[in-house]
Amino acid sequence: NAGVTQTPKFRILKIGQSMTLQCTQDMNHNYMYWYRQDPGMGLKLIYYSVGAGITDKGEVPNGYNVSRSTTEDFPLRLELAAPSQTSVYFCASRDSDRAKTQYFGPGTRLLVL
Amino acid sequence: AQTVTQSQPEMSVQEAETVTLSCTYDTSENNYYLFWYKQPPSRQMILVIRQEAYKQQNATENRFSVNFQKAAKSFSLKISDSQLGDTAMYFCAFMKHVVGNNNAGNMLTFGGGTRLMVKP
Repeated sequence: NAGVTQTPKFRILKIGQSMTLQCTQDMNHNYMYWYRQDPGMGLKLIYYSVGAGITDKGEVPNGYNVSRSTTEDFPLRLELAAPSQTSVYFCASRDSDRAKTQYFGPGTRLLVL
Repeated sequence: AQTVTQSQPEMSVQEAETVTLSCTYDTSENNYYLFWYKQPPSRQMILVIRQEAYKQQNATENRFSVNFQKAAKSFSLKISDSQLGDTAMYFCAFMKHVVGNNNAGNMLTFGGGTRLMVKP
């Protein structure tokens, strides 16, 4: 079981470029999440999904888009990258059970210059 | 909106000793979940322990235990017999319990973290 995997591990973008952060989970979890973690801070929710075809905004969605065409994949799209998007991005997933425990991927470190 | 506060930015403890990390939260909800996550230098977020608010008994996982005080909205983490591998950032997190399809119950709210250093 690979759990939650994210690619790439690290990326440098120029201002105005775009990219997609990939997230895949093999646990058949319905719920998936994208967080960002700025230096020395806790995680903030960007977007989440409660199942294929259903997504919703979190606390800090501006500048990002998501899609959920399959249960396994939940890519995060950055359009027109800005220095303020320099951060570490975490994807997470959880089952629909009572446990509510979210399992996190290893993170993607993004630097926008 | 819920808020989670960790008042200790940094702490240190000697190997084999016990340390307690503090967490307080603010909510008007009655049913919710609380979590402690560990983030070592590898940046991987690892679940340490979880607590359901309706359970009065404090959760325990090996050397990790919590002191859950619902009335005081306090959720501290105690690490016994500290090990060098416990060195990490520790985050307290809150999630509402929502019945049905109300998606607002999916949000994890994190505290700002406590950096714990275990010294040999």
